[in-house]
Amino acid sequence: QQQVKQSPQSLIVQKGGISIINCAYENTAFDYFPWYQQFPGKGPALLIAIRPDVSEKKEGRFTISFNKSAKQFSLHIMDSQPGDSATYFCAASLNYGGATNKLIFGTGTLLAVQP
Amino acid sequence: GAVVSQHPSWVICKSGTSVKIECRSLDFQATTMFWYRQFPKQSLMLMATSNEGSKATYEQGVEKDKFLINHASLTLSTLTVTSAHPEDSSFYICSAPRTGKLFFGSGTQLSVL
Repeated sequence: QQQVKQSPQSLIVQKGGISIINCAYENTAFDYFPWYQQFPGKGPALLIAIRPDVSEKKEGRFTISFNKSAKQFSLHIMDSQPGDSATYFCAASLNYGGATNKLIFGTGTLLAVQP
Repeated sequence: GAVVSQHPSWVICKSGTSVKIECRSLDFQATTMFWYRQFPKQSLMLMATSNEGSKATYEQGVEKDKFLINHASLTLSTLTVTSAHPEDSSFYICSAPRTGKLFFGSGTQLSVL
């Protein structure tokens, strides 16, 4: 129940295209769903996050779509650029805003944006 | 800018030695910090939760005597890999919560020869 399933494992997108990464969870108590971007040899950087009381959140070229009934959420990267090439992790946690913020990570998606 | 500072970025050590990794929260206090471990091309696995002024909480399967955690102040947590062996070689990352979000350090690549 603590797992977060992420797909695809890898993704190749042409420059200017839309990158879509999907995640699914089981634990309905999760109340915070962030996405992280990680470049090789670096720590993950928070990209965008959503709470289950909204169905969509957009920040620049990045959009999270959230389907509470299906227990799924996805990251959309519009107008994908070569600089977006990185590994993306979805995550979920309990106690949003609390001191715990214990995150459960998905398995990661390696995105390659071709020029 | 970075809100969590982690040092060193990489370290190479001989088998049997101990290595200390520091994680600092910059300009904010963190009563809780988290330590993760990541193998190449794999996800982040939570190792332990570091609690200021009390004992760390370890995840199942993580040896607390191997991975010593000390959270002596509200801005500093340390992870010491004791008697390191080649199988301990990995990327170690710390994180700290701030305003409901979790921020990560830049990670430490440990190579044990």
